[in-house]
Amino acid sequence: QVQLQQSGPGLVKPSQTLSLTCAISGDSVSSNSVAWNWIRQSPSRGLEWLGRTYHRSKWYNEYAVSVKSRITINPDTSKNQVSLQLNSVTPEDTALYYCAREYVALDDWGQGTLVTVSS
Amino acid sequence: QAVLTQPSSLSASPGASASLTCTLRSGINVGTYRIYWYQQKPGSPPQYLLNYKSDSDKQQGSGVPSRFSGSKDASANAGILLISGLQSEDEADYYCMIWHSSAWVFGGGTKLTVL
Repeated sequence: QVQLQQSGPGLVKPSQTLSLTCAISGDSVSSNSVAWNWIRQSPSRGLEWLGRTYHRSKWYNEYAVSVKSRITINPDTSKNQVSLQLNSVTPEDTALYYCAREYVALDDWGQGTLVTVSS
Repeated sequence: QAVLTQPSSLSASPGASASLTCTLRSGINVGTYRIYWYQQKPGSPPQYLLNYKSDSDKQQGSGVPSRFSGSKDASANAGILLISGLQSEDEADYYCMIWHSSAWVFGGGTKLTVL
């Protein structure tokens, strides 16, 4: 059974970088049949897909247009985890952030991390 | 106009059936998309229920009861989640999702009340 354990700070100052980690158990970040996604949820924006990374002989990344200039999703094969970095955050980036494993759908989700952007 | 539109709320009685709709924006043909459905209860992440493309191309999520099923209404350009034999535990938010323009896109969600 796949489990995703998220970690990272719950408070980030405006203009700084939001950094979260998703530790994977029960699967490999390098698996050629899955993708690793980040999604956020807020009352104002609902569920919003941010991007994903996946390995198919080489690594690929796909990002949402809305955050493409500010986002980086990286796999860490040594720790079997995937990270999210979102630069230059504003209060509009305040949300509950989730990582999710994509096999058939977004099948398995982390527990969520509430990130507040505030000074 | 949003890519996926869902009614904000729906109420139904225990034992009855509930039909939750997910309407695709004009110009996006529901027939070409696989519609995914999620259930979310307070304090928990969304949980995958099923996906539906056609009667011959659909998948039930692991452990999801058969009283949850998917369909489409081509005339309305909409995907449908049908929940039969409603139980109190079905009270939750329900979201639809599609892969569109190289991104996962979610509907705004329907809050289902069972009363």
